[in-house]
Amino acid sequence: AQSVAQPEDQVNVAEGNPLTVKCTYSVSGNPYLFWYVQYPNRGLQFLLKYITGDNLVKGSYGFEAEFNKSQTSFHLKKPSALVSDSALYFCAVRDKRSSASKIIFGSGTRLSIRP
Amino acid sequence: DGGITQSPKYLFRKEGQNVTLSCEQNLNHDAMYWYRQDPGQGLRLIYYSQIVNDFQKGDIAEGYSVSREKKESFPLTVTSAQKNPTAFYLCASSTRGEQFFGPGTRLTVL
Repeated sequence: AQSVAQPEDQVNVAEGNPLTVKCTYSVSGNPYLFWYVQYPNRGLQFLLKYITGDNLVKGSYGFEAEFNKSQTSFHLKKPSALVSDSALYFCAVRDKRSSASKIIFGSGTRLSIRP
Repeated sequence: DGGITQSPKYLFRKEGQNVTLSCEQNLNHDAMYWYRQDPGQGLRLIYYSQIVNDFQKGDIAEGYSVSREKKESFPLTVTSAQKNPTAFYLCASSTRGEQFFGPGTRLTVL
């Protein structure tokens, strides 16, 4: 069975500091991994994905994530946080071997960037 | 929010009434999904459809129904059997990769 864990409900960072939002996953086979961001009363926006290849994936708005197979992690990172990065972030996983196209989402991490 | 539209943005319903939420996509995606989001919680899958005229129950399908008569449309009906329907409903579509989401419909039961 597939599952995703986001161990932190909230992450607080000062503007200009680096940020990390943690994600670990469990799938039977190899994973497709995704990060999404949600602003209040809006749908989810796609940030980045890992399919195959380079373990460091770069995405929208200066975000990046590193796939670590041995630790089954896919942490989201940004070198310098902006106040406008404050939002709800979701990690998601899909098993490559699965014929179904559905994705499993984590419970979300609220990122708060203070000026 | 890409090429996926949801309507209405806000919806109010009296107890005991059925209500239908609209979801349309112009991305030519085969798969479409409905999720429910409650305050402080993640997304829970209600129904999904991988192809026209076919759909599968997700994790919380009780009290909901869907249809997929056209590739671009996947309406969700919240029936009176749904005991706690007040929530934010999100529609999404995909090929085999990432999902693209609509702007959501906030349903409130009065």
